[in-house]
Amino acid sequence: DAGVTQSPTHLIKTRGQHVTLRCSPISGHKSVSWYQQVLGQGPQFIFQYYEKEERGRGNFPDRFSARQFPNYSSELNVNALLLGDSALYLCASSLADVGAGGYNEQFFGPGTRLTVL
Amino acid sequence: KNQVEQSPQSLIILEGKNCTLQCNYTVSPFSNLRWYKQDTGRGPVSLTIMTFSENTKSNGRYTATLDADTKQSSLHITASQLSDSASYICVVTDSWGKLQFGAGTQVVVTP
Repeated sequence: DAGVTQSPTHLIKTRGQHVTLRCSPISGHKSVSWYQQVLGQGPQFIFQYYEKEERGRGNFPDRFSARQFPNYSSELNVNALLLGDSALYLCASSLADVGAGGYNEQFFGPGTRLTVL
Repeated sequence: KNQVEQSPQSLIILEGKNCTLQCNYTVSPFSNLRWYKQDTGRGPVSLTIMTFSENTKSNGRYTATLDADTKQSSLHITASQLSDSASYICVVTDSWGKLQFGAGTQVVVTP
């Protein structure tokens, strides 16, 4: 079975541009979460979607937005890119809503490496 | 202040040797604690998961311990291999399902 997939793997943009990152969850998983991981730090939570509805939002500016499609894939959009947006963007999927707790494990994709010049 | 603190920040060990990584947390109410291994430029992969009532969990050469009273966990790597070189991240989930990530410990195994 395919795991969580993300595209593209690498991306180089310049300041002020816009970027769209894509994520396909594990088949059957309805929850998708997005994380930003700056080099040398742990992932920071950006968004979580379940059944196409936003269920959680981290402390990120409105330049960051996301959506989930009927097939449960997801897009993360970042407008007006800043140098500080350079990071590894991780997508994670889980079977149930994150609020279900317990052993509802999140499976991570390989990430998209975004470099803003 | 980060609710999950890991130590050391980084360490270098010789191939074949053992090492122990530490994780202290203040997350409450607690649901579970996971240790993830993250290779450079890749997504984290789960190694172990423990709930409140579990004190130890093993996965091959990786053994995690949990003391829920002192809110401390450790990850012990036995007979390290070059492929163990990675960042090891401690992740604590609260009862509402929110994940709190540690900054990770960077492990380098040298021949």
